[in-house]
Amino acid sequence: KNEVEQSPQNLTAQEGEFITINCSYSVGISALHWLQQHPGGGIVSLFMLSSGKKKHGRLIATINIQEKHSSLHITASHPRDSAVYICAVGGSQGNLIFGKGTKLSVKP
Amino acid sequence: DAGVIQSPRHEVTEMGQEVTLRCKPISGHNSLFWYRQTMMRGLELLIYFNNNVPIDDSGMPEDRFSAKMPNASFSTLKIQPSEPRDSAVYFCASSYHTEAFFGQGTRLTVV
Repeated sequence: KNEVEQSPQNLTAQEGEFITINCSYSVGISALHWLQQHPGGGIVSLFMLSSGKKKHGRLIATINIQEKHSSLHITASHPRDSAVYICAVGGSQGNLIFGKGTKLSVKP
Repeated sequence: DAGVIQSPRHEVTEMGQEVTLRCKPISGHNSLFWYRQTMMRGLELLIYFNNNVPIDDSGMPEDRFSAKMPNASFSTLKIQPSEPRDSAVYFCASSYHTEAFFGQGTRLTVV
């Protein structure tokens, strides 16, 4: 069993839809990261959180430490949100264990 | 700051050749990570350094792989000899405390 599980693996949405990507982990962590990887490969950190909820623009990330679960939400999705979203959990030094990623495609 | 800088961006080499990937972390960051991304296995940690000292190299696949960090502003990942199965995108990341910043990656193709 992978230490970090994401769902769904693939997600297709219509522009404007509300999107949720889930992440469950089985190890102790210092922080959980949501990363975005666009075609062309660059990886951008969206959020780092260890408790509660964070919001940045149309993106919201939540984490439940007791349940070892996090969600990434995108409100009013747009084609430019199309990317692979990766959940990663971090140890105290910042070394990361990654989920397999969720490939999101938002259709106009 | 220009962010984490990796070079080269792309590398094509023949099997058996030595390959050296380079990384310049963000100034002031005290941890540096080398990751590998493949279609089959996704992103995996190869090795990480804290204050220039290798902390965990358990992800390094074989003795053909080696990494060094001679100072706080430079690290290399070397593969010698390279094999086709080493073809992947190699990312370097640096962090201060726990937030990590990634370089653009080096796409390595071994033919």
